[in-house]
Amino acid sequence: EVQLVESGGGLVQPGGSLRLSCAASGFTFSSYEMNWVRQAPGKGLEWVSYISSSGTTIYYADSVKGRFTISRDNAENSLYLQMNSLRAEDTAVYYCARRQHYNFWSGSYLVTYYFDYWGQGTLVTVSS
Amino acid sequence: IQLTQSPSSLSASVGDRVTITCRASQGISSYLAWYQQKPGKAPKLLIYAASTLQSGVPSRFSGSGSGTDFTLTISSLQPEDFATYYCQQVNSYPFTFGPGTKVDI
Repeated sequence: EVQLVESGGGLVQPGGSLRLSCAASGFTFSSYEMNWVRQAPGKGLEWVSYISSSGTTIYYADSVKGRFTISRDNAENSLYLQMNSLRAEDTAVYYCARRQHYNFWSGSYLVTYYFDYWGQGTLVTVSS
Repeated sequence: IQLTQSPSSLSASVGDRVTITCRASQGISSYLAWYQQKPGKAPKLLIYAASTLQSGVPSRFSGSGSGTDFTLTISSLQPEDFATYYCQQVNSYPFTFGPGTKVDI
């Protein structure tokens, strides 16, 4: 059974740092790209960051670029999000999500993606 | 790429046919997924590639569309379907989500 379990959330002051972890099990972690998605209280979903299976390709949302760092340890089946210079607007539940790919025909062979498994989320609160 | 959803919320009854629309700010072919989220829970994948039903998802859910306009349809609303629904474009990063459509009683 695929499981993603986030940890590391909590209360932090503005300007502070926090490191989130996502422990993966039930699948070959090193073969999958991973993402972080967040959801502010009462708000919608916001994609935060992506990391390729090898860790060589990384993307960030503009809202966190330069402050957050995504990483992974394939030997430990773990995904991380180092969050620095935290702001009140970073307050949210943070989810890790596995990216799956799907090949389909539409005049030519194409590949699309989706997030098929999500963790339960960990709450980060930035407040003084 | 920006996504808009309409309506932002709707009220419906068990057995109703429900349609939610998602519009992209530029063409994204069939690179769209739909998710369902219930309060306090993680999102759940319903549909990918605009119209492919995820394994285990009831057949009353269906998706259609291509390019900029997409639709999620629930053919006969069930009590467990009351939730918020999000579309997501997966054409290019950042993989943006729509603002959501809340379906309640």
